[in-house]
Amino acid sequence: QSALTQPASVSGSPGQSIIISCTGTSSDVGRYNYVSWYQQHPGKAPKLIIRDVSNRPSGVSNRFSGSKSGNTASLTISGLQAEDEADYYCCSYASGSTRVFGGGTKLTVL
Amino acid sequence: EVQLVQSGAEVKKPGESLKISCKGSGYSFTNYWITWVRQMPGKGLEWMGITYLGDSDTIYSPSFQGQVTISADKSINTAYLQWSSLKASDTAMYYCARRAIDGKEFDYWGQGTLVTVSS
Repeated sequence: QSALTQPASVSGSPGQSIIISCTGTSSDVGRYNYVSWYQQHPGKAPKLIIRDVSNRPSGVSNRFSGSKSGNTASLTISGLQAEDEADYYCCSYASGSTRVFGGGTKLTVL
Repeated sequence: EVQLVQSGAEVKKPGESLKISCKGSGYSFTNYWITWVRQMPGKGLEWMGITYLGDSDTIYSPSFQGQVTISADKSINTAYLQWSSLKASDTAMYYCARRAIDGKEFDYWGQGTLVTVSS
């Protein structure tokens, strides 16, 4: 069970949009619509920002959106703000009721 | 208010045993699954396993099967992660998190327990 593949880092200027990809296999991302995304600021616990590929939990900004095509899920952050600078992780449900996380992406707001 | 409160930081020697805890409050503990996630220093999140508080059904990541034991005591709303013989490579932050009742995601997280294993 290998980690999902995410870019190590992405960056963008305030107000811009960025996309973080998360590539898995037909046994996880491609098979189930149970991809979630987590935001983690330094020294803090992760926070759920997207569930079930594209749904935002209550209280999460609508600047965060998710999608999926085949074995790749994506997180889009629009209207970048300084507070969005953090690490982002995708997570997929996988066969055997297990889970697999992505390696994480460090977002820098320039 | 839903809260998961984890036990405090631990410093242990290689070969020692350890059990860390995660106490839930503000919701019906026995209706939920609790998962454990490892984060080694400067590294990403790794899923370790998950346990259902209602009947103690537990599923492990193949990477952690046999290396740790996940358990729970529903009478005190607490889940546990334990090692019988720690290694230096177990040094990490460990998070517990609750699986949402109507989904597969983890909606509430503990604050983390830092485990340091050093001779």
